[in-house]
Order: sequence, then C-alpha cells, then structure tokens
Amino acid sequence: ETGVTQTPRHLVMGMTNKKSLKCEQHLGHNAMYWYKQSAKKPLELMFVYSLEERVENNSVPSRFSPECPNSSHLFLHLHTLQPEDSALYLCASSRKTSGGANVLTFGAGSRLTVL
Amino acid sequence: AQTVTQSQPEMSVQEAETVTLSCTYDTSESDYYLFWYKQPPSRQMILVIRQEAYKQQNATENRFSVNFQKAAKSFSLKISDSQLGDAAMYFCAYRRGLVGNNNDMRFGAGTRLTVKP
Repeated sequence: ETGVTQTPRHLVMGMTNKKSLKCEQHLGHNAMYWYKQSAKKPLELMFVYSLEERVENNSVPSRFSPECPNSSHLFLHLHTLQPEDSALYLCASSRKTSGGANVLTFGAGSRLTVL
Repeated sequence: AQTVTQSQPEMSVQEAETVTLSCTYDTSESDYYLFWYKQPPSRQMILVIRQEAYKQQNATENRFSVNFQKAAKSFSLKISDSQLGDAAMYFCAYRRGLVGNNNDMRFGAGTRLTVKP
C-alpha cells in the first residue's frame, strides 16, 4: 500500500442502488482526485478537490457526486448508475504546489460493476 | 486541449532484454511535465519516472530511462534488463506547468507489457 486507501475494492450494484466509494490518505497531501479507468481508454479525470476548491470534468454525469469533508477523506456517491459506468475508479492525492511537478499517489482502485 | 497518445496497446519482451514504449503528446505549452506510471495487475499505480520539459537531459531511474524529444513531442520509456516484475500496464501522462490550476493530468490509454521468462 502506498498511503492511499480505497474501499471497497470491489462493488456490484444494481441500477437503482445508492452506494459510496471511500478514499483516505494520510500523506499530508492537500489535493485529492477521482479518476475513472475503463479498458483501452485513457484515464478520465472526474473530480479534483484542492485546498477546499472543487474542480470537475463537465462531462461527468450528475449520478456521480463527490464529497470531500476534509483533506484526508474523499467520497464518490453513486446513484442510479448505468451499466456503462462499470469501471475501475481510482483515487489519487498530491501536494498542491505552484507548478505541475507534483506527483500523484494512487490508491488500488474500486472495481465497480453495475448490473 | 492536451492529448497523450500511446500507439502500442500491447508489447512483450524477453526477460533480460530491452524494450521501448512509445508516447507522443500534443500541446501548445512550453512549460510542462511528463510522467510514466506503472500499474501492475490488481495493484496500485506507481510513478516510474518524471521529466521536466525545460530539462534537455533525459531522466533515468535505475533500469528505466526516457528519450525525450521536445520538438517531436515524443516521450518514450526504455526498460533495460527487463524483469518479470516489470510486467504491468504503463501509462504516459502529461501535466502543464503553469502556476495556478494545474491539476489536470492527462493520461494515455496505456501499454500492456508482458515479460517472457
């Protein structure tokens, strides 16, 4: 483990369910991210929380709702998902600096299957 | 918008041999950073190597090195003396270096590397 913990590791849900993914980091980082990883596609940045500011990809459907109660915890609330939302959801964190050199530390991912 | 292209969905290499993974990117920025990440099967993605665009010298990390061609917008990863533990998905990534909102790291689709014993 590299300091970013994601739970659950695997989740199967129906299209009418409501579930949440959790991410936790104790690296002292002040930025956290959700990425979606689908087979044979580039990683898609979904949301960023950085110094209490939220940045989101406008193409992410509203059935995905992030929550960042503090700098160490990040949630992704899931509601009324579609089968095409099945993917590996990766959480990452970094130390926000004034340049682009800050490296992302990733969690192991939550494998989501929507039936 | 910046894009990252990895033209090799899959590559294989014999153990102890050398393999090169390709990556090209498109940007109008002059200040940026490039990364290679490794994602072993069912394990966390980890940073392999990083290159600052303002540096002409290619980055190296033990058996891993890059060939950074800024004019050609090419950033290939060379793995020397390949080991079985190098088998993984490898992602090339780009991030601009501007002060301010630089949180958008762009990734390629990945290259799956198989190492044959």
